[in-house]
Amino acid sequence: GQQVMQIPQYQHVQEGEDFTTYCNSSTTLSNIQWYKQRPGGHPVFLIQLVKSGEVKKQKRLTFQFGEAKKNSSLHITATQTTDVGTYFCAGKAAGNKLTFGGGTRVLVKP
Amino acid sequence: NAGVTQTPKFQVLKTGQSMTLQCAQDMNHEYMSWYRQDPGMGLRLIHYSVGAGITDQGEVPNGYNVSRSTTEDFPLRLLSAAPSQTSVYFCASSVSAGKNEQYFGPGTRLTVT
Repeated sequence: GQQVMQIPQYQHVQEGEDFTTYCNSSTTLSNIQWYKQRPGGHPVFLIQLVKSGEVKKQKRLTFQFGEAKKNSSLHITATQTTDVGTYFCAGKAAGNKLTFGGGTRVLVKP
Repeated sequence: NAGVTQTPKFQVLKTGQSMTLQCAQDMNHEYMSWYRQDPGMGLRLIHYSVGAGITDQGEVPNGYNVSRSTTEDFPLRLLSAAPSQTSVYFCASSVSAGKNEQYFGPGTRLTVT
């Protein structure tokens, strides 16, 4: 079945630094979504990418969908303590299922 | 709008007991789904529904049943609880399957002893 993997599993970042988390699918995706889950909370939708090579920005967050629509990345610039949490990608291939990656847990050192 | 609501927030069961986790949404969404999240892990799809009267299995359906008699409600039943089912359970809804953002409920933390 479809598998979605995220790396790294953990990301320790110094406040103010940049980092990138990656999402890779075993199958071609029709779209990919990104979610953020704060500690003790529930996942909250951030963005959806649909087109091959698409790039979207939300303030300090930049999301990219690969040309082959099998991978995606999230780049955060000038990390802040408010960025703490786990970031999940979720990909939809054919059918009605959205498959989540294992997440990247982000810890920020002040 | 209350969004997606889940009850109970916490539950402790003994092995072999059964129970139903409730999920309701007031956004008239057709697509609803149940996920479980184990410590430090991602979200694994248990069951989903694309509309009232239609349900299907996700990645980890064994030990769980669902039904969708109305658009609003999507309960998850644990038939005979096992310690391996200790987890946080999230219900989610969206306009359609995988094409729109999913709204998650606050979760139910279940412990099976």
